Amino acid sequence: SYVLTQPPSVSVAPGQTARITCGGNNIGSKSVHWYQQKPGQAPVLVVYDDSDRPSGIPERFSGSNSGNTATLTISRVEAGDEADYYCQVWDSSSELGFGGGTKLTVL
Amino acid sequence: QVQLVQSGAEVKKPGASVKVSCKASGYTFTSYGISWVRQAPGQGLEWMGWISAYNGNTNYAQKLQGRVTMTTDTSTSTAYMELRSLRSDDTAVYYCARTHTGSSGWYLDYWGQGTLVTVSS
Repeated sequence: SYVLTQPPSVSVAPGQTARITCGGNNIGSKSVHWYQQKPGQAPVLVVYDDSDRPSGIPERFSGSNSGNTATLTISRVEAGDEADYYCQVWDSSSELGFGGGTKLTVL
Repeated sequence: QVQLVQSGAEVKKPGASVKVSCKASGYTFTSYGISWVRQAPGQGLEWMGWISAYNGNTNYAQKLQGRVTMTTDTSTSTAYMELRSLRSDDTAVYYCARTHTGSSGWYLDYWGQGTLVTVSS
């Protein structure tokens, strides 16, 4: 199956920019989707199709995807952005796969 | 507004089966499929499979083939996930999620609140 690699943790100060990466073999050829999960809550879709935002998601959340790395960028980070973030793709083996998740800590 | 409401927590013994329901509202049920995703305590997300609410077609994760069955009842806009031969490592929160399936890939845009299934003797 297709492997997605995320850093276990990322830390950022309030007001700064957080970048969470998702690595995979030629991931730039796939559509990547991102989810935010706060403790005790269900995941929420924050970016789909590499860089589109669902309605209600702040413009501070953006995505990019090229080569072997997709990136979720959160600008002007707020305390409320502290959460686990997961990337996800649809694999050619007809399975939906998630990265291992990244814990974003707001210092 | 789109809502997916799941059934309540379950406690099962090893070897037993569990069936979790997911009632959808706020959209045309047959226009989207439903995926099931589970999350073991302190772990990441694991996709279990998908069912088309339009025609009942299924696509199960290879790891769970033979132990999982997904069904829908279009008359009540409800999806079901049954997992058999439960083991302790099946202890997890189980989520249903509305699934977009398109040429750009599949993604999950609305999620249920989750159902905790505990497998313990």
